[in-house]
Amino acid sequence: GESVGLHLPTLSVQEGDNSIINCAYSNSASDYFIWYKQESGKGPQFIIDIRSNMDKRQGQRVTVLLNKTVKHLSLQIAATQPGDSAVYFCAEVYFGNEKLTFGTGTRLTIIP
Amino acid sequence: EPEVTQTPSHQVTQMGQEVILRCVPISNHLYFYWYRQILGQKVEFLVSFYNNEISEKSEIFDDQFSVERPDGSNFTLKIRSTKLEDSAMYFCASSSTELSSVNYGYTFGSGTRLTVV
Repeated sequence: GESVGLHLPTLSVQEGDNSIINCAYSNSASDYFIWYKQESGKGPQFIIDIRSNMDKRQGQRVTVLLNKTVKHLSLQIAATQPGDSAVYFCAEVYFGNEKLTFGTGTRLTIIP
Repeated sequence: EPEVTQTPSHQVTQMGQEVILRCVPISNHLYFYWYRQILGQKVEFLVSFYNNEISEKSEIFDDQFSVERPDGSNFTLKIRSTKLEDSAMYFCASSSTELSSVNYGYTFGSGTRLTVV
């Protein structure tokens, strides 16, 4: 079946360094991808998104890269801060249905 | 900033009992969703709801589950006879447009932790 998965379940990064969180997806027909941040006891919070006709999108301190050739998505967080510590999920969307398909999640820990 | 509000934040129920989880979506949103997250696992889609009917549901959303928009502000998820494996965090979400639109504003609530004992 179709699935979205993450390469690493945990990631520890020194405060101030850059972090990269990776995601592999298997549905080549997916139209849209989203990164979410989930802090303890809270719902998923939108970080950044990218459509399948793009390969890069930048936000404030975050960049999403999409490589459709190898079906790979990454989230880069620049100059990490303690508040970046959370679980990060990628999600994919196939237009025509209204659901998000989430990956397993990566726990990012920022070391002070 | 507008929020999706869920109540209660935590509910404990005995196996076999019915539970109703409540959500107040963002006021001008038209599309409503329920997701669940078993502890330590990924978020899973349950159901989407638009124009007073279910538009899509997952295999998880069996006959024990139902959704309703009883008035203009609430969106509820009912589990008729809870099982131990229904223990999870349940998230409500809403959006103003279809996912294929440019700015859909898909927003999640903070969730209800359901514990079935």
